[in-house]
Amino acid sequence: AQRVTQPEKLLSVFKGAPVELKCNYSYSGSPELFWYVQYSRQRLQLLLRHISRESIKGFTADLNKGETSFHLKKPFAQEEDSAMYYCALSGAGGTSYGKLTFGQGTILTVHP
Amino acid sequence: KAGVTQTPRYLIKTRGQQVTLSCSPISGHRSVSWYQQTPGQGLQFLFEYFSETQRNKGNFPGRFSGRQFSNSRSEMNVSTLELGDSALYLCASSLQGPGDTEAFFGQGTRLTVV
Repeated sequence: AQRVTQPEKLLSVFKGAPVELKCNYSYSGSPELFWYVQYSRQRLQLLLRHISRESIKGFTADLNKGETSFHLKKPFAQEEDSAMYYCALSGAGGTSYGKLTFGQGTILTVHP
Repeated sequence: KAGVTQTPRYLIKTRGQQVTLSCSPISGHRSVSWYQQTPGQGLQFLFEYFSETQRNKGNFPGRFSGRQFSNSRSEMNVSTLELGDSALYLCASSLQGPGDTEAFFGQGTRLTVV
């Protein structure tokens, strides 16, 4: 079975402060991990995936297989970062193929 | 390029009725997956189709079904609607599958069962 846990439903920070959105997963094989973001009145969209190892909009995420975590970080939060963030996992083949398992989401609010 | 289009955007149905939702993927995308989004359960996987074949199915009752056509457009059907089926239904399209290539989501169909 695959599971994604985002322990924080709400996260509030001030502009310019560092932010970290936590994500832990459970999966027996080698997972693909993603962060999706949904800004107000917009579609759910991919923010980044661990395999690309990119920094998107200043956000980075490192897959830690030992701790089964994929936390999303940004050193200096901006007001436009306020959104709902979902961590998602895709397994490799078998019963996991074609399926994204999402966490419950974290609402990030960045105050001015 | 045009994004993923879901129709209708809003739907109100009565318990016991059935409903069909449509999803038009981005041109060239062969994978379409469906998700149910509710405040209590979050985003839950319904099923995924690739080149007209269902590759995976989530833990939903048999009242939930889907299909994909040769042009990659997909429909999902819910029969014998229950109040608990009220939700936002999202579809996503991708080139090869949401785990391999980026998944693009539609705006969703908001289904209300009364």
